[in-house]
Amino acid sequence: ETGVTQTPRHLVMGMTNKKSLKCEQHLGHNAMYWYKQSAKKPLELMFVYSLEERVENNSVPSRFSPECPNSSHLFLHLHTLQPEDSALYLCASSQGGGRPNTEAFFGQGTRLTVV
Amino acid sequence: AQKVTQAQTEISVVEKEDVTLDCVYETRDTTYYLFWYKQPPSGELVFLIRRNSFDEQNEISGRYSWNFQKSTSSFNFTITASQVVDSAVYFCALSEFMNYGGSQGNLIFGKGTKLSVKP
Repeated sequence: ETGVTQTPRHLVMGMTNKKSLKCEQHLGHNAMYWYKQSAKKPLELMFVYSLEERVENNSVPSRFSPECPNSSHLFLHLHTLQPEDSALYLCASSQGGGRPNTEAFFGQGTRLTVV
Repeated sequence: AQKVTQAQTEISVVEKEDVTLDCVYETRDTTYYLFWYKQPPSGELVFLIRRNSFDEQNEISGRYSWNFQKSTSSFNFTITASQVVDSAVYFCALSEFMNYGGSQGNLIFGKGTKLSVKP
């Protein structure tokens, strides 16, 4: 496998469920990101991990909980979500610890629907 | 505050037409980076180009070209002789050198322009 892989590709969950999104990068990068893409809104940065430490949390509700056990894996744990949390969740990675001059490589995303 | 504006929400062209996607940005930083990404229907964002704020040379890569104008804070993207495979959503993004409220290195995206190329 190459690049950034996200699983599952699609997820439907009830508001009382607990689920996790998984992201794995095979590029040897040291920074990983979660983005949220909602209809008609810009891509929103949710979390940044650099060298496995969280360096950014853009006022994301606590019902979203990230985990980065190593530089290749990133999880987003979900619990008691709301219907407005339905969106495409994109994972990305980059080299350089999130330095501004490095491009990010994205996974295909998880299409989440909260019912 | 930093901001990226892509005023064109949707563009539809016929194959072989040239098309330009506009991007205007705002930043208080003097060192910054601009990016274009392509998002095909499959979902992943594909990196196309990075440009730093000190390099205003235009760039051409095959049918793609980019016009960076600091004077107008614009970084426009032109596809020459468009093809059906170019149909996608295109995002312009900005990344700043200085750490304004934790923003260093974070990509700030525009809302995207959906390009449809019809045969």
